[in-house]
Amino acid sequence: SQWGEENLQALSIQEGEDVTMNCSYKTYTTVVQWYRQKSGKGPALIILIRSNEREKRSGRLRATLDTSSQSSSLSITGTLATDTAVYFCATDAGTGGYKVVFGSGTRLLVSP
Amino acid sequence: EAGVTQSPRYAVLQEGQAVSFWCDPISGHDTLYWYQQPRDQGPQLLVYFRDEAVIDNSQLPSDRFSAVRPKGTNSTLKIQSAKQGDTATYLCASRPGGNYAEQFFGPGTRLTVL
Repeated sequence: SQWGEENLQALSIQEGEDVTMNCSYKTYTTVVQWYRQKSGKGPALIILIRSNEREKRSGRLRATLDTSSQSSSLSITGTLATDTAVYFCATDAGTGGYKVVFGSGTRLLVSP
Repeated sequence: EAGVTQSPRYAVLQEGQAVSFWCDPISGHDTLYWYQQPRDQGPQLLVYFRDEAVIDNSQLPSDRFSAVRPKGTNSTLKIQSAKQGDTATYLCASRPGGNYAEQFFGPGTRLTVL
């Protein structure tokens, strides 16, 4: 498997709190993509970080990438109830992003 | 612009029955994917196409699963003889050409095999 953590993780927090989710991967990747999947929907890309970037921000989202430890994190500041979703990280399997390999994900529940 | 559409949204079968899933990608997207997503797991690639050609079907159980994209637009995924282990959501995604272009996912078909 490409992934260090195989089981879906679960987090439950209150609205307004900050949260960080982590993932680790086993083989080289040129990008790490983070996806959000809301109930009954397909995943949607929320942030992409390349191997030559250590940090990438988009609104309340911040992704980091440490290629030496082969790990990435996604932080959300000032969470909203609408951030409730499953978050996946994904690597590109060295194919220019054509073949994406998903990790097992983190289920985030944000209570109002 | 319409997103990726899939049908049906739900299917319930007995073991041994056949089922087909249909996907209409975003217009102009040359690459189309089928993923299987078991409950509480990440999507797992089954097959992907560029235009009408299969690029990678290494994870497609070829004895019972088949996928086609005959005109390089819509696609059909078929399970010939479903097993309980096939219970999952089947997701279709499409993307335009170019490195690291975003994949756009449809809502999926939730399959239950009894």
